[in-house]
Amino acid sequence: EPEVTQTPSHQVTQMGQEVILRCVPISNHLYFYWYRQILGQKVEFLVSFYNNEISEKSEIFDDQFSVERPDGSNFTLKIRSTKLEDSAMYFCASTPGLTYNEQFFGPGTRLTVL
Amino acid sequence: AQSVTQPDIHITVSEGASLELRCNYSYGATPYLFWYVQSPGQGLQLLLKYFSGDTLVQGIKGFEAEFKRSQSSFNLRKPSVHWSDAAEYFCAVGARDSSYKLIFGSGTRLLVRP
Repeated sequence: EPEVTQTPSHQVTQMGQEVILRCVPISNHLYFYWYRQILGQKVEFLVSFYNNEISEKSEIFDDQFSVERPDGSNFTLKIRSTKLEDSAMYFCASTPGLTYNEQFFGPGTRLTVL
Repeated sequence: AQSVTQPDIHITVSEGASLELRCNYSYGATPYLFWYVQSPGQGLQLLLKYFSGDTLVQGIKGFEAEFKRSQSSFNLRKPSVHWSDAAEYFCAVGARDSSYKLIFGSGTRLLVRP
């Protein structure tokens, strides 16, 4: 069964460093999302991406964040200058298309900023 | 504003006992509703979803949920809990906007006594 994959599973970085979190959505899906979950808190929407552009972003998704689909299969989230409060689990999700369907989630990347 | 409330942070049940996890939502129109389960260190797996039609929906692993518009609720139930059901359960509402993002509740952690 097709699944969303994410790499790495765990990333440790120093404050101020740039990180790139990678996701491979399910191949025929068209909508892509990033969510994050700070330890002990709810899962929060960050950004949605369709047709090679951002369709919506949350207040959390400030200028330090960017997303890209560089090669038609990968979907990346970049944090330019990490802060301690960026420590969280980051989930990628995808959904098939223009009619609403369930979102398929990847296993997540745990980002730890020291 | 759209929101989801899961009033129970933790619930403990004995194996074989019945289970009900509560979820209340706030949304202006008929919502898309979901229940996801997250096992430790894992991603989010869809248990069931409601889009329209029959208000009692069946999901995987023997779970069901009932949509009650008058109470703005979408409670998750299982008649007989198994030890493997111990996990965190998230209720979510799907926004009917340009991004179809999911808005999650805070989650309920289920503990199962042997």
